[in-house]
Amino acid sequence: AQSVTQLGSHVSVSEGALVLLRCNYSSSVPPYLFWYVQYPNQGLQLLLKYTSAATLVKGINGFEAEFKKSETSFHLTKPSAHMSDAAEYFCAVTEYSSASKIIFGSGTRLSIRP
Amino acid sequence: DAGVIQSPRHEVTEMGQEVTLRCKPISGHDYLFWYRQTMMRGLELLIYFNNNVPIDDSGMPEDRFSAKMPNASFSTLKIQPSEPRDSAVYFCASSRPGQGRTEAFFGQGTRLTVV
Repeated sequence: AQSVTQLGSHVSVSEGALVLLRCNYSSSVPPYLFWYVQYPNQGLQLLLKYTSAATLVKGINGFEAEFKKSETSFHLTKPSAHMSDAAEYFCAVTEYSSASKIIFGSGTRLSIRP
Repeated sequence: DAGVIQSPRHEVTEMGQEVTLRCKPISGHDYLFWYRQTMMRGLELLIYFNNNVPIDDSGMPEDRFSAKMPNASFSTLKIQPSEPRDSAVYFCASSRPGQGRTEAFFGQGTRLTVV
């Protein structure tokens, strides 16, 4: 069964600094991987997804993530943090071979210091 | 498209009462998911449907929880009787897998408070 682990429940960076949110996955079959963002009192919004094409995936709001099979990782990065990036970020996985359930990590709360 | 629509947005009820949460998926989507979000447990998948048929309900916590999807455009999640520990935000999501489109689209959620 597939699963994801997000390292760090809370990450705080200064405005303009690099954002790095970590995600490791476990899957017995080739996975689809996602990053979602959740703003306060909102639903989850897709940031980006990996579907076995390019290993470096670019998403909205300047975020990108790199799929590394050897490390079973799919870390999310942004070169320069903006105050508006403060939110909860979720990594998720589903099986490539079938459109089955999407499993989410525990989430990482990103705070931005002025 | 209006996106996934959930109602109500907020629900406050007394312990022991029946609660029904509603969801309208995006038109044309054939998968529907119900998730529960709490501080303690994060996002939990409760149940999901494919073409209106429940595929996996292993996440449903107890027999007090039930979900139905009578047609492609409507689903309900019912809790009877409700308990304070059911207080959470409940999300509905839908998807239409194929050609790399496996992501789920989420509704705004229903915040349930059981007092």
